[in-house]
This record gives sequence, C-alpha cells and structure tokens, in this order.
Amino acid sequence: SQQGEEDPQALSIQEGENATMNCSYKTSINNLQWYRQNSGRGLVHLILIRSNEREKHSGRLRVTLDTSKKSSSLLITASRAADTASYFCATDESSYKLIFGSGTRLLVRP
Amino acid sequence: NAGVMQNPRHLVRRRGQEARLRCSPMKGHSHVYWYRQLPEEGLKFMVYLQKENIIDESGMPKERFSAEFPKEGPSILRIQQVVRGDSAAYFCASSEQGNYGYTFGSGTRLTVV
Repeated sequence: SQQGEEDPQALSIQEGENATMNCSYKTSINNLQWYRQNSGRGLVHLILIRSNEREKHSGRLRVTLDTSKKSSSLLITASRAADTASYFCATDESSYKLIFGSGTRLLVRP
Repeated sequence: NAGVMQNPRHLVRRRGQEARLRCSPMKGHSHVYWYRQLPEEGLKFMVYLQKENIIDESGMPKERFSAEFPKEGPSILRIQQVVRGDSAAYFCASSEQGNYGYTFGSGTRLTVV
C-alpha cells in the first residue's frame, strides 16, 4: 500500500485563507518531503523535514512532523490563487527511492 | 544549467507501437530515476540507473518495459507494444549522488489510442 497518504484529497478555500494538508505514512523514515505539481506540469520541491525535526518553515509554508503518529502536515498561510496545485508528500523507502502519496488537490478561489 | 530535460513533452502512440522517452540529466548528475504517474495518483518509482548500469528496476513491469542510461547520451525509457493502460505521465529525475536529493524533469505525457 502507499507509504504516504494525503488528506484531504481535495481542498477549496478562499484567497487569503490558510490551507492545511496532512500526510500519514506507515514505516520508519529518515526524511519527509513535500512537492507541488501544477496541472500538467512537473514536480517542484517545496521542503524537506528530517526525522529528528518537528517543524520547519519556508516563506508561507510551515511543515510539521510527528514521528510518533507517523504524520506530517503542510500549512500554507495567506493563500493565493497561484497556490492552486496538487501537493504531494513523499517519504524515503531507501536512500534513493521516494514513495509518494496520492496528493491533495488545492483550489484557491480569487 | 538547463535542469532535467525530458522529451517529448507529449507522445501519442497507437496500441502495439513502441514508445521511447528520453531524459537528459542535469549537468554533473550521473544518477537517473524514472517515475510513472497515473491520472489522479502520485508518482510511483520505476527504475534507478547510473551510467551504463541498472541499479534498481524493482518498479518496472516485467514485460515490455526497459530502461538504459548509456555512457553517452540521454537515458531512454522504452515501452514496447504499448497498451491503453500505459497512458500516464513519465517523470525523470537526476541527482549528483545516489540519494533522494534529486531534481525532476517536466515529464512526458504518453497517450495510447
């Protein structure tokens, strides 16, 4: 089964609101990453959080990691229409292999 | 640095034809990875290659699919006798070392008609 599973599958918010996406995984990890994918495009790496970190910030992004619950969350603050995309978490099955979840499709309404 | 270059961006093939997808890694990167994304799903690992070597092909279907990364030139993902179920986006990534610190290309979207 999938290592990472995002929740919710789809999220629609108004511009300016915050968006929170969650990711759960099953096995031990060294790192967890979040990626963004605009419709029909490639993946853009957003942020990596290591297993010994609990929280990390990058601009309007905030990622948390709870290894005891095997879960992570991605918070996008003050969302913009340009944030409309699919967001994926990915965990490392090995030093080189990533396991992706099915993604959260975020729609930010102007 | 042009990043990871994949071509073609879009490829249409009839059932039974062959599809050849190309990936040129970033300059200085000798590790290449191929992932497949079915509609509405996340990416799934297919194969990891270094120059002239297949390191891990555990995600490759046993039949019709093959990959290579020759000493010179791009990495090639080859799908023989394509079927409708092969329709997907195929992404290539590359890294300097064999780890997950890699960069993805924009993908090739294969449509089998």
